[in-house]
Amino acid sequence: EVQLVESGGGLVQPGGSLRLSCAASGFTFSSYWMTWVRQAPGKGLEWVANIKQEGSEKYYVDSVKGRFTISRDNAKNSLYLHMNSLRAEDTAVYYCARLTDSWGQGTLVTVSS
Amino acid sequence: QAVVTQEPSLTVSPGGTVTLTCDSSTGGVTSDHYPYWFQQKPGQAPRTLIYDTSNKDSWTPARFSGSLLGGKAALTLSGAQPEDEAEYYCLLSYSGPWVFGGGTKLTVL
Repeated sequence: EVQLVESGGGLVQPGGSLRLSCAASGFTFSSYWMTWVRQAPGKGLEWVANIKQEGSEKYYVDSVKGRFTISRDNAKNSLYLHMNSLRAEDTAVYYCARLTDSWGQGTLVTVSS
Repeated sequence: QAVVTQEPSLTVSPGGTVTLTCDSSTGGVTSDHYPYWFQQKPGQAPRTLIYDTSNKDSWTPARFSGSLLGGKAALTLSGAQPEDEAEYYCLLSYSGPWVFGGGTKLTVL
């Protein structure tokens, strides 16, 4: 059974940093593109970033370019999102996804003083 | 980045048929946008319904189908059930980055 479990969310001050993790199991992690999606409270889904199987290609939504970095460790079956210079508008539930069929339960990031 | 547009809300009668659409600001939606459709119910994570225009996830009920229709991606629900009431999102690829539509709130009434 495919499982994706996010962790690392929490309350952080504006300008702060946070690293989200996503532990994958039940499939060959290194064979799939992986994606981060977020959802601000009461809002729709927003695609944030994705990364190719071996990490050679990465793409970001314009609003996070230069602040967020997506990475992966295929040996640890883990996906990461390093978030710097956080803003209030980054407040959201962050989901890790293998878009074709699997989503995590999400982790809440709150940016507030 | 591109803007992806969906109907904000639609209503369908139980047992009825409804089509949700997904449009791109950059021109017609094609198979090269690899359209996805997701269902999300309140308080839950999204679930993938359709990927690459028309391919179904293993859990996707047969009453859901994906297609390209008049330059848009389309999700058709035939024989709506009360449990299909949810928010539906499409997602399009732009040769690297992807963009979600704003979502369609589907009411079964």
